Amino acid sequence: GAGVSQSPSNKVTEKGKDVELRCDPISGHTALYWYRQSLGQGLEFLIYFQGNSAPDKSGLPSDRFSAERTGGSVSTLTIQRTQQEDSAVYLCASSLGGAGFSYNEQFFGPGTRLTVL
Amino acid sequence: KQEVTQIPAALSVPEGENLVLNCSFTDSAIYNLQWFRQDPGKGLTSLLLIQSSQREQTSGRLNASLDKSSGRSTLYIAASQPGDSATYLCAVRFGTSGSRLTFGEGTQLTVNP
Repeated sequence: GAGVSQSPSNKVTEKGKDVELRCDPISGHTALYWYRQSLGQGLEFLIYFQGNSAPDKSGLPSDRFSAERTGGSVSTLTIQRTQQEDSAVYLCASSLGGAGFSYNEQFFGPGTRLTVL
Repeated sequence: KQEVTQIPAALSVPEGENLVLNCSFTDSAIYNLQWFRQDPGKGLTSLLLIQSSQREQTSGRLNASLDKSSGRSTLYIAASQPGDSATYLCAVRFGTSGSRLTFGEGTQLTVNP
């Protein structure tokens, strides 16, 4: 497809389990971003990839969160030992260029709704 | 701390009315500002991107303005329709925050038929 895709669309897990969320950016977009949207916290930045490297990981809330990107394309966000406070919608976005570009309109995927019981 | 604020939090208008949504930000050193709409249970749809060197951008019935010196942007929607009902989010790429966007809390718009 032409847009950013994410899978799964919904994920229900038990506290303490690990989860993996996937993002497939728009073809040709070198920059990829993960954000989290939760009640009471709004939309928060998590991590930014330029190609396969992550120059900005400052938004990751704890060391239970990690992300990788391979082949300059697909990215996976992993949450280990999930907690109830991890429940949120995880949104992925991509843009043509990253920090070096003054013009970098970000396009968002539909999100993954994570519920930790 | 770099922050983005949107007022009002919610707005209800009759169909056909012209309306303005407000966004303010704390640091005038920005790269760009982006307006999004979000429908319930959905992702974000980009509406308009304004570069720091621009004063306004238009797309159809939407017009976004930017005043960096006062730290403000407005989204003007002309002749509102029920299909415009959604949450509108303002997001700023600050000059010192790399490539990330900082979001406001959004304005929930309801256009009544």
